[in-house]
Amino acid sequence: EAQLVESGGGWVQPGGSLKLSCAASGFSFSGSAMHWVRQAPGKGLEWIGRIRGKGNNYATEYPASVRGRFTISRDDSKNTAYLQMNRLIAEDTAIYYCSSGSGSDSLYWYFDLWGRGTLVTVSS
Amino acid sequence: DIVMTQSPDSLALSLGERATINCKSSQSVLDSSDNKNYLAWYQQRPGQPPKLLISWASTRASGVPDRFSGSGSGTDFTLTIRSLQTEDVAIYYCQQYYNIRPAFGQGTKVEFK
Repeated sequence: EAQLVESGGGWVQPGGSLKLSCAASGFSFSGSAMHWVRQAPGKGLEWIGRIRGKGNNYATEYPASVRGRFTISRDDSKNTAYLQMNRLIAEDTAIYYCSSGSGSDSLYWYFDLWGRGTLVTVSS
Repeated sequence: DIVMTQSPDSLALSLGERATINCKSSQSVLDSSDNKNYLAWYQQRPGQPPKLLISWASTRASGVPDRFSGSGSGTDFTLTIRSLQTEDVAIYYCQQYYNIRPAFGQGTKVEFK
């Protein structure tokens, strides 16, 4: 069964950093683009970036809201994707989900696999 | 970037009633090269991650009951729940994946009257 499990969330002060992990199993991780999506408390879903597979040079893309502060990486040997978050602000408080169009490295694909998320709280 | 706008923001219905949720994109998500609409719908029950319901505007994901259907093309789309069941209480999101930066609508909350 395909599965994604996020970890690494917690409390961090404004201006701090945090690195989230997303462990994948049950599908071809190395051939899949991996995405991160967040959801602030009581709010909707916000796509915050993706990384493609080796065949597409691990290309990354981010929305303006996090570009320059957030970095996505992956380790195919560990079937794990990462989200490095720097210069965190209160507005980054959210549940962070990793997701994938399992088996697809296309730029233009839906998300049929989601983790349960990990909560990040940015507060002094 | 493409902006997705859903209506209404919330919907209160009785058991067995039809639910209709609309989604409008700021530009067309229909690719003329393959005649596909790059539009998905997700369901998020309380305390749960989102779940894919429909891709390509009208293709139900595996295991999704046939009371859920998607329609529309170009910039205007609709998710219909034919006969509302208790387990359908959730927030529903549309999403475009036509652009290299995918985007979600703001969500529509479906609850019982």
